Order: sequence, then C-alpha cells, then structure tokens
Amino acid sequence: QVQLKESGPGLVQPSETLSLTCTVSGFSLTSYSVSWVRQPSGKGPEWMGRMWYDGDTAYNSALKSRLSISRDTSKNQVFLKMNSLQTDDTGTYYCTRDRRGSHYWGQGVMVTVSS
Amino acid sequence: DIQLTQSPSTLPASLGERVTISCRASQSISNSLNWYQQKPDGTVKRLIYSTSTLESGVPSRFSGSGSGTDYSLSISSLESEDFAMYYCLQYATYPHTFGSGTKLEIK
Repeated sequence: QVQLKESGPGLVQPSETLSLTCTVSGFSLTSYSVSWVRQPSGKGPEWMGRMWYDGDTAYNSALKSRLSISRDTSKNQVFLKMNSLQTDDTGTYYCTRDRRGSHYWGQGVMVTVSS
Repeated sequence: DIQLTQSPSTLPASLGERVTISCRASQSISNSLNWYQQKPDGTVKRLIYSTSTLESGVPSRFSGSGSGTDYSLSISSLESEDFAMYYCLQYATYPHTFGSGTKLEIK
C-alpha cells in the first residue's frame, strides 16, 4: 500500500539549515508527484512545494528563496532543504503524494527551531 | 495567493446531529477543492476531492458541495470518530492553500 515517512532532526538551531527526507513505498516517484506541507502548532497547514513526477519542482513563493526540493528515485526518497531557519519555522512537516492536491499523507515529523 | 476563509473555527455538536462547514475562496477555484480530517495524533486523511467526490472507504455520511468561490462539507449524522479538525485545500493555482481549520467538538 501507499506509504510515506518523513525523517530528520527534531531540533534545529536558529539560522541553520533544515534537512528532511521523505521515504516512500507502494508507488514510483516517476509516476506521482510529492509535496511538502508544514503545520505550525495550533494553526492550519501551509503548502511548501512539490517535486513533480518528471523531476520538475514548484515552490511557494513565500519560501522559494530558502527552499530546495530534490529526489533520489533509486532510493524512493524526496528531500527538503530549507536554510536560515527561524523560530516561526517550528512545526510538523509532512510529505504527501499528490493527485488532485495532496492525497496520501505521511505521519509527519516535528521540527523545533531553538537554541 | 488564493485565500480560503473557513467557518466556523469551532463547531460544538452532538452525536447524531447534522453539521456543515464552509470554505470560501477569494476567487473562483473551479471545483478544485478538497476536504481533510486531522486527528489529535496528527494523522491526516483526505475525505473528499474535487468538491464532491468521496474517497474510497470514507463513510457516505460525509458529502461535499459547492462551486465558484463557495464550498461546504456536511456530515449527516455525527459519530464519535468524527470529532476532529477539518481543513479545506484549494489546488486550482499555486501556491496551494489551506483553510484555517474547523474544530468539531462534542457539545
């Protein structure tokens, strides 16, 4: 069945770079697009960007200058890197498999930005 | 960016009651709207896509409707597992945007 699992550090220092991995199973990254979505505690989700099935990318313009999404199809992984982290980047980060918007969601990984 | 105004933010309701959640877009989104349920452990499940199509396995008490800028999610007869957070999402244009959420709580 379709599964997505996020992994990465739970704590990041302010001004540092966040690196997250989304490992997928049950489908091919060359057939489906994968998005990253984040959610501050107690707030609504925010769409961050997408890795298209053909390798193209799309980013939320609010984050584009700090965000990079890449993939390794041989490992079934999609990566997120975001630099210059601040405290308001704290929240839960999800990857989703897309079809008509986010369809299947991972369990999420909590990221805290703090010194 | 398209803004989604979701209401109410909190909805107290009783078991067996019918409820409706609204999502209004700042411009037409041509039925490109989904509804999601989020449980307290963070698990997110898509209930409805493209305004009114029910995901496989989702109970038929859930339904969606709307057009243009106005959309809604209805639950015909609340069951205990329905008390959760609900969000709408538009995917008509980038960036995709979410509503601010509705907390469906037991009255």
